[in-house]
Amino acid sequence: KQEVTQIPAALSVPEGENLVLNCSFTDSAIYNLQWFRQDPGKGLTSLLLIQSSQREQTSGRLNASLDKSSGRSTLYIAASQPGDSATYLCAVEGAQKLVFGQGTRLTINP
Amino acid sequence: GAVVSQHPSWVICKSGTSVKIECRSLDFQATTMFWYRQFPKQSLMLMATSNEGSKATYEQGVEKDKFLINHASLTLSTLTVTSAHPEDSSFYICSAMQDTDTQYFGPGTRLTVL
Repeated sequence: KQEVTQIPAALSVPEGENLVLNCSFTDSAIYNLQWFRQDPGKGLTSLLLIQSSQREQTSGRLNASLDKSSGRSTLYIAASQPGDSATYLCAVEGAQKLVFGQGTRLTINP
Repeated sequence: GAVVSQHPSWVICKSGTSVKIECRSLDFQATTMFWYRQFPKQSLMLMATSNEGSKATYEQGVEKDKFLINHASLTLSTLTVTSAHPEDSSFYICSAMQDTDTQYFGPGTRLTVL
């Protein structure tokens, strides 16, 4: 059974810092890995999707990497802004099912 | 494109009543829709997968008689929480997928059972 773990559970940093969120998964037989953002009481916004054959994806200040063999992914956020404050979820897809981690609650302090 | 809506966005009901939540794909046809449940400060847990015109596939531990799922058309799936109890209070999120494409998520429905 696939299990996804995200570390840290919560992170608070001053504005402008670069930061890294971590995601690990137990079964490397995945189709892809996605990073989502969730604002309080809201649904999910897809940030980046990395196919199993890819190593990384970039979108603006966000960069996600995938090391399938070691079961790890990182989400790098450059020059953080208060508007980046949210919960970040990583999810791996296998057999058309998404398995989510518990998320990292990120707070960017002005 | 790829917008998924949910209705209602929040609902409060009395214990013992049934509540229906709708999930619609607004600009694409969704061959598959998924229903997730999220407890406060926890992750999303897949409840069931529904394909248009066929019975939903429920995850282990999810009571199919309590959480009725209907996927009657390519743009609409409904989740009915029957005889709701306070422990059913949660955030319910649906997603829709076209063929084997990406899942697009709805904004969620907050259910509170008194």
